[in-house]
Amino acid sequence: AQSVAQPEDQVNVAEGNPLTVKCTYSVSGNPYLFWYVQYPNRGLQFLLKYITGDNLVKGSYGFEAEFNKSQTSFHLKKPSALVSDSALYFCAVRDSRGTDKLIFGTGTRLQVFP
Amino acid sequence: NAGVTQTPKFQVLKTGQSMTLQCAQDMNHEYMSWYRQDPGMGLRLIHYSVGAGITDQGEVPNGYNVSRSTTEDFPLRLLSAAPSQTSVYFCASSLGAGGQYNEQFFGPGTRLTVL
Repeated sequence: AQSVAQPEDQVNVAEGNPLTVKCTYSVSGNPYLFWYVQYPNRGLQFLLKYITGDNLVKGSYGFEAEFNKSQTSFHLKKPSALVSDSALYFCAVRDSRGTDKLIFGTGTRLQVFP
Repeated sequence: NAGVTQTPKFQVLKTGQSMTLQCAQDMNHEYMSWYRQDPGMGLRLIHYSVGAGITDQGEVPNGYNVSRSTTEDFPLRLLSAAPSQTSVYFCASSLGAGGQYNEQFFGPGTRLTVL
């Protein structure tokens, strides 16, 4: 069965420092991976996705994610964090049955301190 | 485009009451889904639909019912509310049509409390 794991409930980083939010996956077949962000009292917003091709995927708001097949990871990164990046981040993998169905991780809360 | 809209934003029910959470999208998306979000558990899929007239169960379907009579609307019915259904409910939609790796668009959510 497809699954994703986000091993950290919370990540704290100082503004201006690089940030990483971790995600590992388990799939049968090719992985189709997504990152979403949820700001307080809002729905989820799409950040980026990996389908195939370059292992470094660039997305919205300066975020990028690195796909690593040997480590089955898809970590979200940003070179310089902003206080406004503070939010809940979800990693997701597409279901193997070919629909748009997504399986989400439990989420990681990112706190960026001034 | 309004995107994905959900009503109501907030709702308080008593145990045993029934209600319908409304979801609509104006993007002509084939795929629609309902999730519930609970602390520490991420998003769990309740029901989904790959097109009008077609629905299927997700991870946590018990106590919920759905129908998809039009492409635009995908209401979620709570048949007899229980305190365990206290949660935040999100509706999402995407292009669907298989073979594409489409991102989902989410509504703003409905916060439901069952007393």
